[in-house]
Amino acid sequence: GEDVEQSLFLSVREGDSSVINCTYTDSSSTYLYWYKQEPGAGLQLLTYIFSNMDMKQDQRLTVLLNKKDKHLSLRIADTQTGDSAIYFCAESYSSASKIIFGSGTRLSIRP
Amino acid sequence: EAGVVQSPRYKIIEKKQPVAFWCNPISGHNTLYWYLQNLGQGPELLIRYENEEAVDDSQLPKDRFSAERLKGVDSTLKIQPAELGDSAVYLCASSRGTPDTEAFFGQGTRLTVV
Repeated sequence: GEDVEQSLFLSVREGDSSVINCTYTDSSSTYLYWYKQEPGAGLQLLTYIFSNMDMKQDQRLTVLLNKKDKHLSLRIADTQTGDSAIYFCAESYSSASKIIFGSGTRLSIRP
Repeated sequence: EAGVVQSPRYKIIEKKQPVAFWCNPISGHNTLYWYLQNLGQGPELLIRYENEEAVDDSQLPKDRFSAERLKGVDSTLKIQPAELGDSAVYLCASSRGTPDTEAFFGQGTRLTVV
């Protein structure tokens, strides 16, 4: 079946790197996503990676994919207070098909 | 470009009452999704439209939930009658529906059933 697992909470010091981990079960997933949700707001797509890629970097964000272990991670460099949010890992077979979301990781920033 | 617009933002109703949510997708987006997000969880798909056709409604509780997208643009999601367990955020999203395109989410409607 389809399932996406991620830890519920992460606390990091401002300026440090944050690493949010995720595992998924559907080996046919083609797209793997990271969404950000701030309080009272909708979901914002941060980045996505195709299943045939190992890594994608976009400014402060680095996504690593281990397809063999079905493990996805999001690294946020130089974490800022504005990065406080819930981060959802998600997968889909195609960009138009349904997206399966994890339960979200709440990232909090310590001064 | 305007984003996905949902209304109302908040709704409080008594159980057994009907309720409807409205979504206006981004212009030109053929694919429209309704997701349900319970507190502390990720969104779960209720229904997906390609233009006016519902192509995936397998997770929609059809005994009390209904949805329509008559002209392939705006969409409404209805619950009748509402139950306490329906309290959640209802998210609408849209995409162009072609490969390699992003789904954009609205801010959601927070429903509280009392």
